[in-house]
Amino acid sequence: AQSVTQPDIHITVSEGASLELRCNYSYGATPYLFWYVQSPGQGLQLLLKYFSGDTLVQGIKGFEAEFKRSQSSFTLRKPSVHWSDAAEYFCAVPGAYSSASKIIFGSGTRLSIRP
Amino acid sequence: NAGVTQTPKFQVLKTGQSMTLQCAQDMNHNSMYWYRQDPGMGLRLIYYSASEGTTDKGEVPNGYNVSRLNKREFSLRLESAAPSQTSVYFCASGVGQPQHFGDGTRLSIL
Repeated sequence: AQSVTQPDIHITVSEGASLELRCNYSYGATPYLFWYVQSPGQGLQLLLKYFSGDTLVQGIKGFEAEFKRSQSSFTLRKPSVHWSDAAEYFCAVPGAYSSASKIIFGSGTRLSIRP
Repeated sequence: NAGVTQTPKFQVLKTGQSMTLQCAQDMNHNSMYWYRQDPGMGLRLIYYSASEGTTDKGEVPNGYNVSRLNKREFSLRLESAAPSQTSVYFCASGVGQPQHFGDGTRLSIL
């Protein structure tokens, strides 16, 4: 069955430092992969998505993600974080029947920014 | 601003009461979704609608019903609320996958 794991529940980085958030998936074929961000008290926003092709995907707000098939990973990165990046980040993969509509979310990684 | 609007933002119900959560989007998206978010569990899909007039079950549909009233609106109904349905509910819309989410409805069932 498809699943997604975010091994880090909470990460704290200093403002201006680089960020790396991990995501591992279990999927029977080449997956679609997504990263979402949820700011406090708000709904989620799609940051970026990988469907096929180049394994380095650019997203909004200066984020990028790298897909590594050999490691079943989809790692979110940002070169220099801002205080406004403090939020919860969710990785997601398609659910049953490879449907991008029925995506499965990870349990999330909460990002705190140290001034 | 364009987006997804959910009402109400907060609601407290007693066990056994019914209520409908409303959702409207103005981005002309075909697909709309209802999720619930519980601590440490990410988001779980309750129902989704690929287009006007169609709905399909997600991971956790029991205890819920939905109506896709038109292209803009997608409502979620709890017929007989139970404490296990205490959660934050999010509506979303998109093309192919959920892209835009509302700000959520915090629902408590006593």
